[in-house]
Amino acid sequence: QVQLVESGGGLVKPGGSLRLSCAASGFIFSDYYMSWIRQAPGKGLEWLSYISSSGSNKNHVDSVKGRFTVSRDNAKNSLDLQMSSLRAEDTALYYCARHRDSGRPIVFDYWGQGALVTVSS
Amino acid sequence: SYVLTQPPSVSVAPGKTATITCDGNNIANKRVHWYQQEPGQAPVLVIYYDTDRPSGIPERFSGSTSDNTATLTISGVEAGDEADYYCQVWDTSTDHVVFGGGTKLTVL
Repeated sequence: QVQLVESGGGLVKPGGSLRLSCAASGFIFSDYYMSWIRQAPGKGLEWLSYISSSGSNKNHVDSVKGRFTVSRDNAKNSLDLQMSSLRAEDTALYYCARHRDSGRPIVFDYWGQGALVTVSS
Repeated sequence: SYVLTQPPSVSVAPGKTATITCDGNNIANKRVHWYQQEPGQAPVLVIYYDTDRPSGIPERFSGSTSDNTATLTISGVEAGDEADYYCQVWDTSTDHVVFGGGTKLTVL
C-alpha cells in the first residue's frame, strides 16, 4: 500500500534552517509528481511546492520562494524540502502528498501524516 | 492570484443533506477537488475532477460545479462525517495549487 512518511521536523530558531524528508513506499516513486503542503496550527491548508517525477520541473508558492527548495532522490524514493531563513509564521505541520495523475491538473491522492516544524526563540 | 472562498462552518442534523460551497471566479472552467480532514488526521481525497469519487468513498459524497460555485454534497449525513472540508484547484495561470479556507462540518 502507498505510504508517505515525513521526518526531520523539530524546533528551530528564527532565521535557522531545517530539512524535511518524505520516505515513499508502495508505488513507483519515480512515476509521480510530489508536493509539499503545510497547515499552521488551527489554520487551513497551504500548498508550498511541487516537483516533477524526474525532478527537472519545480514550482514554489511566492511566500517561500527563495527560502524553501524542493528536491527528490528517485533512487532512494525520497522527497526533501530544504527550508532556510525560517520565520515564526512558518510554524506548521508539513505534509508531503502524491499527485494522482502525472502532471496536471494537480490533485493529491495520498498524504503523509505530517512533520511538525516550530519556529521559536 | 486565484481565490477560493468557503463558508467557515456548516451544521446539519444526522440523516439530512449537507451542502458545502466553494466560490471562485469561473470555477466551472477548472477542475475542483475536495478533501476531508478529520481532527488530528491528514486530509483524504473525497471528490476529484468535480464529480469523481475515489475508491472507498461512499456514494453519499458527490460534487458539482456551476459558473462561479463548486459544491460538495453529503447526503444522509452521519456523525463520522464531522470534519473539515477543503476545496482545491490548480491555477493554470500561475501553475500554483490553491486551497479554499476550509469548512467545518458539524453534525448536530
